[in-house]
Amino acid sequence: DGGITQSPKYLFRKEGQNVTLSCEQNLNHDAMYWYRQDPGQGLRLIYYSQIVNDFQKGDIAEGYSVSREKKESFPLTVTSAQKNPTAFYLCASIESGRDNYGYTFGSGTRLTVV
Amino acid sequence: AQRVTQPEKLLSVFKGAPVELKCNYSYSGSPELFWYVQYSRQRLQLLLRHISRESIKGFTADLNKGETSFHLKKPFAQEEDSAMYYCALLGTSYGKLTFGQGTILTVHP
Repeated sequence: DGGITQSPKYLFRKEGQNVTLSCEQNLNHDAMYWYRQDPGQGLRLIYYSQIVNDFQKGDIAEGYSVSREKKESFPLTVTSAQKNPTAFYLCASIESGRDNYGYTFGSGTRLTVV
Repeated sequence: AQRVTQPEKLLSVFKGAPVELKCNYSYSGSPELFWYVQYSRQRLQLLLRHISRESIKGFTADLNKGETSFHLKKPFAQEEDSAMYYCALLGTSYGKLTFGQGTILTVHP
């Protein structure tokens, strides 16, 4: 099954803990993105990366960090500084230069703070 | 700045009725617009894009630059159309998509 794989599907975090969400793609896409989905607010961009070893903050980057050491992987760390981390997190990728063909999305990770 | 607005959070219609999901955008350049759909327990997926001017699952969307709108329409709704629909705009750089708030469409039998 080619595409984007996000893991885990469900994640529970205690207050003050850092957690890392995995995103792996086998589409050979250059650009990858992390979005947060909240009811009534749509999808908001957290971080994005166009190429390996480079990434940029999105609209709501505070309390999050990412790395892009390999083309196929773009993990997201939700740090203890993120005040309201409970949400559904979506990873996406796109082939550079073919932006108008739209994103491919992962199936998401639901993070809950307990 | 780019912005996408979907004024309806919820939209309910009966099977066979026409349906229109509204989308308005704000963008200074020439926009590329998309509709994405998320069916229950499935991942978000591309429904259609304005440049292709295609009809997917009976849905069409026309870009109206004068009204800055990209409304999604279907003449006869089906129960399987029930889903969350997002309108999205592609910015000039980095493939960054800006999404609207989403509209939950429910088609009643």
